[in-house]
Amino acid sequence: ETGVTQTPRHLVMGMTNKKSLKCEQHLGHNAMYWYKQSAKKPLELMFVYSLEERVENNSVPSRFSPECPNSSHLFLHLHTLQPEDSALYLCTSSHEVELIASNIDYNSPLHFGNGTRLTVT
Amino acid sequence: AQKITQTQPGMFVQEKEAVTLDCTYDTSDPSYGLFWYKQPSSGEMIFLIYQGSYDQQNATEGRYSLNFQKARKSANLVISASQLGDSAMYFCAMRLPSGDTGRRALTFGSGTRLQVQP
Repeated sequence: ETGVTQTPRHLVMGMTNKKSLKCEQHLGHNAMYWYKQSAKKPLELMFVYSLEERVENNSVPSRFSPECPNSSHLFLHLHTLQPEDSALYLCTSSHEVELIASNIDYNSPLHFGNGTRLTVT
Repeated sequence: AQKITQTQPGMFVQEKEAVTLDCTYDTSDPSYGLFWYKQPSSGEMIFLIYQGSYDQQNATEGRYSLNFQKARKSANLVISASQLGDSAMYFCAMRLPSGDTGRRALTFGSGTRLQVQP
């Protein structure tokens, strides 16, 4: 059983719908991420919440809106999506060490959820 | 900016044989971590093995080993004694030290689809 749980596993939505993806981690991690995986493309980082800081990939459209109410929960709110947004959305978490220019925290692997396969019709 | 290159879109291997999946990386940082993940058709990403830039020895985890050649900036994954269950997508990824939140995220290659044949 994965320590990172994503719901729903599958989602079909119309372009005018509003939906949310949910991610919950039970690993005591303090950083969470959203990645998008489209067919025949490398995984694309969308958003990072780490040590109370949020980082966005500037190429992500505003129709995607993240929310991280605490270190265990992460949401991705979706509205007025396009068919090209159909993809596998992966949530991941890791433990971050708050040290400036640390050399010791890049060795912790990210733990992934099973993903939400989104289809926009 | 960091970059990961996997030049093999697909690979075939016979069951019980060894296979090497290629990965090259590009970064100007002296400190970095290299990871390999397996993604079966079900979609989950499974962490396999890690290699740190300062590690003197190649990493090994069971049937997985990492052929780390720092001067060539390559981190190839070697799977020994392939099994049918090894059929999956394999991703090489890199992570940089903290100081910049975005850098701590993993940068992935495009992946290699491995098919193990009986």
